[in-house]
Amino acid sequence: AQSVTQLDSHVSVSEGTPVLLRCNYSSSYSPSLFWYVQHPNKGLQLLLKYLSGSTLVKGINGFEAEFKKSETSFHLTKPSAHMSDAAEYFCVVSEDNQGGKLIFGQGTELSVKP
Amino acid sequence: KAGVTQTPRYLIKTRGQQVTLSCSPISGHRSVSWYQQTPGQGLQFLFEYFSETQRNKGNFPGRFSGRQFSNSRSEMNVSTLELGDSALYLCASSLEPDSGNTIYFGEGSWLTVV
Repeated sequence: AQSVTQLDSHVSVSEGTPVLLRCNYSSSYSPSLFWYVQHPNKGLQLLLKYLSGSTLVKGINGFEAEFKKSETSFHLTKPSAHMSDAAEYFCVVSEDNQGGKLIFGQGTELSVKP
Repeated sequence: KAGVTQTPRYLIKTRGQQVTLSCSPISGHRSVSWYQQTPGQGLQFLFEYFSETQRNKGNFPGRFSGRQFSNSRSEMNVSTLELGDSALYLCASSLEPDSGNTIYFGEGSWLTVV
């Protein structure tokens, strides 16, 4: 069975410094991997997704993630944090033929200090 | 183009009652899935519908049920409500249940059981 582990429940950075949110996954098959963001009292917004092909995936708002099969990791990064990046981030896995069944990590709350 | 619309946004119910939540997917989307979000359990998959058929089901008791109509709109029902059912219920839609399709989430229905 597939699972997702987000290694940090809370990350705090200063504005303008890099962001690193860590995610490891477990999957029996070829996974599709996603990062979603949730701002307070809002739904989930897709930041980026990895389906196949290039292992470095670029998303919205300057975020990117690298799929490393050997390390079963899919860490999310951003070179320079902005105050508006403060939110909850979810690493998500979906397996082939499982369509809308997404398995979510527990989430990482990102705080950005001025 | 309107996003995923969920109604009602907020509701309070009493233990033992039942509740029905509604979801209108993005126009043209035929796959609808439901998730429960709680502070303790995080985001958990409830079920997925495509072409009026339940395609996938999560690990929830039979009190949780859903359906999809011919216009792709979906409802979920929870009977004999328990305090632990208090949660944010999120609906998501995609074109079809293929892992490659982006899944879009609504802002959710906040259910409080007292």
